[in-house]
Amino acid sequence: EVQLLESGGGLVQPGGSLSLSCAASGFTFSNYAMNWVRQAPGKGLEWVSTIAGSGSTTYYADSVKGRFTISRDNSKNTLYLQMNSLRAEDTAIYYCARRGGNSGWGAFDYWGQGTLVTVSS
Amino acid sequence: EIVLTQSPATLSLSPGEGATLSCRASQSISSYLAWYQQKPGQAPRLIIYDGSNRATGITARFSGSGSGTDFTLTISSLEPEDFAVYYCQQRSAWPITFGQGTRLEIK
Repeated sequence: EVQLLESGGGLVQPGGSLSLSCAASGFTFSNYAMNWVRQAPGKGLEWVSTIAGSGSTTYYADSVKGRFTISRDNSKNTLYLQMNSLRAEDTAIYYCARRGGNSGWGAFDYWGQGTLVTVSS
Repeated sequence: EIVLTQSPATLSLSPGEGATLSCRASQSISSYLAWYQQKPGQAPRLIIYDGSNRATGITARFSGSGSGTDFTLTISSLEPEDFAVYYCQQRSAWPITFGQGTRLEIK
């Protein structure tokens, strides 16, 4: 059974940093691109970042480029998101999600339960 | 950036009725469109991928159609558990984008 479990959320002051983790199980982690998607309170879904299965390629939304860094440790089956220079508008539930399909670059077929990040003084 | 526009914003229907949700892309995305269902307090769930393929475990009451710029999610004979927010998403080009969502509510 595919499982994704996020951790690391919490309250942080504006300008601060936070690191999120997503522990994966039930599939060959290195075969799939992985993603972070966020949802501000009462709002819709916003794609944040994607990393290739090998970790060699990364993509970012303009809203987080230069501040957030996605990475993965395939030996630990874990996805990470390092968030720096946090702003109030980064407040959201952060979900990790797997890209499915035979290529590993398909739709987001499995999602974690999310971890809440609150940026406030 | 490819903009996805969903309509209507809210759809009020009764159990047993059929639902038709629309998603329009600002430029052609071939069939690289997915639909997700999200219930309150839960993570999104993949319903349809690549325009018309049902995800694993999704009932045949859900069907997707369309290609290019116009896509439709159809739910036949609504069940109480179908009332939720539905998002479309494109993976044709970076950045990946989502529509703003359609809320399907019980009338």
